[in-house]
Amino acid sequence: DTAVSQTPKYLVTQMGNDKSIKCEQNLGHDTMYWYKQDSKKFLKIMFSYNNKELIINETVPNRFSPKSPDKAHLNLHINSLELGDSAVYFCASSQDQGDDGYTFGSGTRLTVV
Amino acid sequence: SQKIEQNSEALNIQEGKTATLTCNYTNYSPAYLQWYRQDPGRGPVFLLLIRENEKEKRKERLKVTFDTTLKQSLFHITASQPADSATYLCAGGGGKLIFGQGTELSVKP
Repeated sequence: DTAVSQTPKYLVTQMGNDKSIKCEQNLGHDTMYWYKQDSKKFLKIMFSYNNKELIINETVPNRFSPKSPDKAHLNLHINSLELGDSAVYFCASSQDQGDDGYTFGSGTRLTVV
Repeated sequence: SQKIEQNSEALNIQEGKTATLTCNYTNYSPAYLQWYRQDPGRGPVFLLLIRENEKEKRKERLKVTFDTTLKQSLFHITASQPADSATYLCAGGGGKLIFGQGTELSVKP
Protein backbone atom coordinates (compact mmCIF):
# COMPACT_ATOMS: atom_id res chain seq x y z
CA ASP A 1 0.00 0.00 0.00
CA THR A 2 2.16 2.84 -1.29
CA ALA A 3 1.62 6.08 0.63
CA VAL A 4 3.24 8.49 -1.87
CA SER A 5 3.70 7.13 -5.36
CA GLN A 6 5.46 8.83 -8.25
CA THR A 7 5.66 7.82 -11.87
CA PRO A 8 7.78 7.20 -13.75
CA LYS A 9 10.68 5.96 -11.63
CA TYR A 10 13.17 6.58 -14.44
CA LEU A 11 12.94 9.08 -17.27
CA VAL A 12 15.55 9.44 -20.00
CA THR A 13 14.83 12.11 -22.57
CA GLN A 14 16.51 14.42 -25.04
CA MET A 15 17.22 18.09 -24.54
CA GLY A 16 14.36 20.29 -25.62
CA ASN A 17 11.63 17.76 -24.89
CA ASP A 18 8.68 18.33 -22.56
CA LYS A 19 7.96 15.77 -19.84
CA SER A 20 5.70 15.26 -16.85
CA ILE A 21 6.10 13.47 -13.54
CA LYS A 22 3.01 12.42 -11.61
CA CYS A 23 2.54 12.10 -7.87
CA GLU A 24 -0.31 10.75 -5.79
CA GLN A 25 -0.69 10.32 -2.04
CA ASN A 26 -3.27 8.22 -0.20
CA LEU A 27 -2.53 9.49 3.30
CA GLY A 28 -5.19 12.19 3.37
CA HIS A 29 -2.50 14.86 3.78
CA ASP A 30 -3.37 18.38 2.75
CA THR A 31 0.10 19.58 1.72
CA MET A 32 2.28 18.25 -1.09
CA TYR A 33 5.77 19.17 -2.24
CA TRP A 34 8.28 18.76 -5.03
CA TYR A 35 11.95 18.52 -4.09
CA LYS A 36 14.99 18.24 -6.36
CA GLN A 37 18.01 16.23 -5.22
CA ASP A 38 21.16 17.01 -7.13
CA SER A 39 24.32 14.94 -7.49
CA LYS A 40 25.64 16.33 -4.19
CA LYS A 41 22.55 14.93 -2.45
CA PHE A 42 21.11 18.29 -1.42
CA LEU A 43 17.31 18.19 -1.29
CA LYS A 44 15.96 21.56 -2.44
CA ILE A 45 12.34 22.60 -2.19
CA MET A 46 10.79 23.59 -5.49
CA PHE A 47 7.06 23.92 -4.87
CA SER A 48 4.49 23.31 -2.18
CA TYR A 49 0.72 23.08 -2.47
CA ASN A 50 -1.80 23.17 0.35
CA ASN A 51 -5.28 22.02 -0.61
CA LYS A 52 -4.59 22.69 -4.30
CA GLU A 53 -3.25 26.18 -3.57
CA LEU A 54 0.39 27.09 -4.33
CA ILE A 55 2.08 28.22 -1.10
CA ILE A 56 5.79 27.85 -1.83
CA ASN A 57 7.35 28.69 -5.17
CA GLU A 58 11.11 28.78 -4.91
CA THR A 59 13.41 30.29 -7.49
CA VAL A 60 12.76 27.72 -10.17
CA PRO A 61 12.86 28.34 -13.94
CA ASN A 62 9.48 29.06 -15.53
CA ARG A 63 9.95 25.87 -17.53
CA PHE A 64 8.83 24.00 -14.41
CA SER A 65 5.10 24.13 -13.78
CA PRO A 66 3.34 22.25 -11.01
CA LYS A 67 -0.31 21.37 -11.19
CA SER A 68 -2.55 20.07 -8.41
CA PRO A 69 -5.94 18.84 -9.67
CA ASP A 70 -6.92 17.83 -6.13
CA LYS A 71 -5.21 17.59 -2.76
CA ALA A 72 -4.15 13.99 -3.38
CA HIS A 73 -2.28 14.74 -6.61
CA LEU A 74 0.61 17.02 -7.52
CA ASN A 75 2.14 16.75 -10.96
CA LEU A 76 5.26 18.43 -12.31
CA HIS A 77 5.55 19.44 -15.94
CA ILE A 78 8.90 20.48 -17.38
CA ASN A 79 9.20 22.25 -20.72
CA SER A 80 12.27 22.48 -22.96
CA LEU A 81 14.39 20.16 -20.85
CA GLU A 82 18.05 21.08 -20.34
CA LEU A 83 21.07 19.00 -19.34
CA GLY A 84 21.12 20.73 -15.95
CA ASP A 85 17.65 19.43 -15.15
CA SER A 86 19.10 15.94 -14.69
CA ALA A 87 18.49 15.02 -11.05
CA VAL A 88 16.23 12.95 -8.83
CA TYR A 89 12.87 14.58 -8.20
CA PHE A 90 10.99 13.67 -5.04
CA CYS A 91 7.37 14.23 -4.26
CA ALA A 92 6.37 14.43 -0.61
CA SER A 93 3.29 15.08 1.48
CA SER A 94 2.55 16.18 5.02
CA GLN A 95 -0.33 17.13 7.24
CA ASP A 96 -0.39 20.92 7.60
CA GLN A 97 3.17 22.31 7.98
CA GLY A 98 4.72 18.90 8.45
CA ASP A 99 5.24 18.83 12.20
CA ASP A 100 4.80 15.06 12.10
CA GLY A 101 7.28 14.63 9.30
CA TYR A 102 7.08 14.45 5.56
CA THR A 103 6.35 11.25 3.66
CA PHE A 104 8.43 11.00 0.51
CA GLY A 105 7.91 9.07 -2.68
CA SER A 106 10.68 6.87 -4.04
CA GLY A 107 11.83 9.50 -6.52
CA THR A 108 12.02 9.96 -10.28
CA ARG A 109 15.50 9.89 -11.76
CA LEU A 110 15.47 12.26 -14.72
CA THR A 111 18.35 12.05 -17.19
CA VAL A 112 18.50 14.59 -19.99
CA VAL A 113 20.82 13.63 -22.86
CA SER B 1 20.67 32.62 3.40
CA GLN B 2 19.13 29.99 5.68
CA LYS B 3 21.36 26.93 5.91
CA ILE B 4 21.45 23.49 7.43
CA GLU B 5 24.94 22.02 7.46
CA GLN B 6 25.97 18.46 8.17
CA ASN B 7 29.37 16.83 8.12
CA SER B 8 29.74 15.73 4.52
CA GLU B 9 32.47 13.23 5.40
CA ALA B 10 31.27 9.67 5.80
CA LEU B 11 31.20 8.29 9.32
CA ASN B 12 32.58 4.79 9.76
CA ILE B 13 32.02 3.01 13.05
CA GLN B 14 32.16 -0.48 14.51
CA GLU B 15 29.01 -2.45 15.23
CA GLY B 16 27.81 -1.96 18.79
CA LYS B 17 29.28 1.54 19.15
CA THR B 18 27.28 4.77 19.32
CA ALA B 19 27.13 6.83 16.15
CA THR B 20 26.86 10.60 16.62
CA LEU B 21 25.93 12.87 13.71
CA THR B 22 25.99 16.66 13.82
CA CYS B 23 23.65 19.22 12.30
CA ASN B 24 24.24 22.98 12.47
CA TYR B 25 21.92 25.73 11.32
CA THR B 26 22.75 29.31 10.34
CA ASN B 27 20.89 32.51 9.54
CA TYR B 28 17.57 31.37 11.00
CA SER B 29 15.91 29.79 14.00
CA PRO B 30 13.97 26.70 13.02
CA ALA B 31 10.88 25.96 15.09
CA TYR B 32 11.88 22.29 14.94
CA LEU B 33 14.46 19.96 13.47
CA GLN B 34 13.67 16.68 11.78
CA TRP B 35 15.91 13.73 11.05
CA TYR B 36 15.46 11.39 8.09
CA ARG B 37 17.12 8.23 6.87
CA GLN B 38 17.79 7.78 3.15
CA ASP B 39 18.89 4.53 1.55
CA PRO B 40 20.38 4.43 -1.99
CA GLY B 41 17.69 4.77 -4.65
CA ARG B 42 14.95 5.48 -2.10
CA GLY B 43 13.19 8.51 -0.72
CA PRO B 44 13.99 9.89 2.75
CA VAL B 45 12.13 8.26 5.63
CA PHE B 46 11.12 10.37 8.63
CA LEU B 47 12.69 9.29 11.95
CA LEU B 48 12.32 11.95 14.63
CA LEU B 49 11.27 15.53 15.24
CA ILE B 50 12.51 17.76 18.05
CA ARG B 51 11.08 21.21 18.78
CA GLU B 52 13.11 24.26 19.77
CA ASN B 53 11.77 24.14 23.34
CA GLU B 54 12.83 20.49 23.78
CA LYS B 55 16.35 19.60 24.77
CA GLU B 56 16.27 15.89 24.02
CA LYS B 57 14.05 13.28 22.43
CA ARG B 58 14.37 9.50 22.27
CA LYS B 59 12.89 6.75 20.15
CA GLU B 60 14.16 3.21 20.69
CA ARG B 61 17.93 3.34 19.93
CA LEU B 62 17.75 6.91 18.59
CA LYS B 63 18.36 10.09 20.56
CA VAL B 64 18.24 13.66 19.27
CA THR B 65 19.26 16.86 21.04
CA PHE B 66 18.54 20.49 20.18
CA ASP B 67 20.87 23.20 21.48
CA THR B 68 19.59 26.66 20.50
CA THR B 69 22.70 28.32 21.98
CA LEU B 70 25.10 26.34 19.82
CA LYS B 71 22.54 26.27 16.96
CA GLN B 72 23.11 22.56 16.72
CA SER B 73 21.37 19.21 16.84
CA LEU B 74 23.08 15.91 17.60
CA PHE B 75 21.67 12.60 16.40
CA HIS B 76 22.78 9.46 18.22
CA ILE B 77 22.29 5.81 17.32
CA THR B 78 23.21 3.57 20.21
CA ALA B 79 24.24 -0.08 19.83
CA SER B 80 24.65 0.51 16.09
CA GLN B 81 24.09 -2.33 13.63
CA PRO B 82 25.17 -2.83 10.01
CA ALA B 83 21.49 -2.32 9.07
CA ASP B 84 21.80 1.27 10.33
CA SER B 85 24.16 2.04 7.42
CA ALA B 86 22.50 4.78 5.36
CA THR B 87 22.59 8.53 4.77
CA TYR B 88 21.01 10.58 7.53
CA LEU B 89 19.49 13.95 6.71
CA CYS B 90 18.79 16.80 9.09
CA ALA B 91 16.06 19.31 8.17
CA GLY B 92 15.00 22.57 9.78
CA GLY B 93 11.31 23.48 9.76
CA GLY B 94 8.89 26.30 10.42
CA GLY B 95 7.58 27.60 7.10
CA LYS B 96 9.47 25.45 4.68
CA LEU B 97 11.67 22.46 5.41
CA ILE B 98 15.33 23.09 4.61
CA PHE B 99 17.56 20.02 4.31
CA GLY B 100 21.23 19.51 4.96
CA GLN B 101 23.29 17.48 2.53
CA GLY B 102 23.29 14.42 4.74
CA THR B 103 25.96 12.34 6.44
CA GLU B 104 26.65 8.82 5.22
CA LEU B 105 26.97 6.34 8.06
CA SER B 106 28.66 2.99 7.60
CA VAL B 107 28.50 0.44 10.42
CA LYS B 108 31.02 -2.38 10.07
CA PRO B 109 30.43 -5.79 11.63
